[in-house]
Amino acid sequence: AQSVTQLGSHVSVSEGALVLLRCNYSSSVPPYLFWYVQYPNQGLQLLLKYTTGATLVKGINGFEAEFKKSETSFHLTKPSAHMSDAAEYFCAVISSGGYQKVTFGTGTKLQVIP
Amino acid sequence: DTAVSQTPKYLVTQMGNDKSIKCEQNLGHDTMYWYKQDSKKFLKIMFSYNNKELIINETVPNRFSPKSPDKAHLNLHINSLELGDSAVYFCASSQGEGAFFGQGTRLTVV
Repeated sequence: AQSVTQLGSHVSVSEGALVLLRCNYSSSVPPYLFWYVQYPNQGLQLLLKYTTGATLVKGINGFEAEFKKSETSFHLTKPSAHMSDAAEYFCAVISSGGYQKVTFGTGTKLQVIP
Repeated sequence: DTAVSQTPKYLVTQMGNDKSIKCEQNLGHDTMYWYKQDSKKFLKIMFSYNNKELIINETVPNRFSPKSPDKAHLNLHINSLELGDSAVYFCASSQGEGAFFGQGTRLTVV
């Protein structure tokens, strides 16, 4: 079984401030972890992913995330928020091996204040 | 080229009608999905197909019937539409390292 928990359904940051969106996962086998972004009235776009190898992964638009197995976490960060970062962010997990069911967290809405 | 395309983008229909949403992927992936996103933005998997074979059916009412004529297509047919079916439906495909999503179909049942 696999699950994802995103802490904070709404996060507000000032423009230029650090963005930190939290994600914790549960998986009985080594996970593949993802962050997706959804802009209003649009589909989901893959921001970044961790499968194997380096635990710090960089994605598009200056975002990065670090896989911490000991903490079962995959938090998303960006050093300096832009207004264009305002969107809904979803953490997701696929358990490696077996059928590839993508399980999503409940999403975090990021608001960027000018 | 659109990797995962679904049609229509918007669908407004009356209760009791039957409607279909089509999905096609040109990524050569073996696995395709249908997800439902409700008004609170929660994404819930409905079905997963692997190489035309149904793998996951997440307790979806049998009014929903997916059909996969080939590996690149996964269509969703919905019978006797109900108000509660109003949502955004996303098609996706995957080859293990992340799923690619279509732009969604916003279904409104009136």
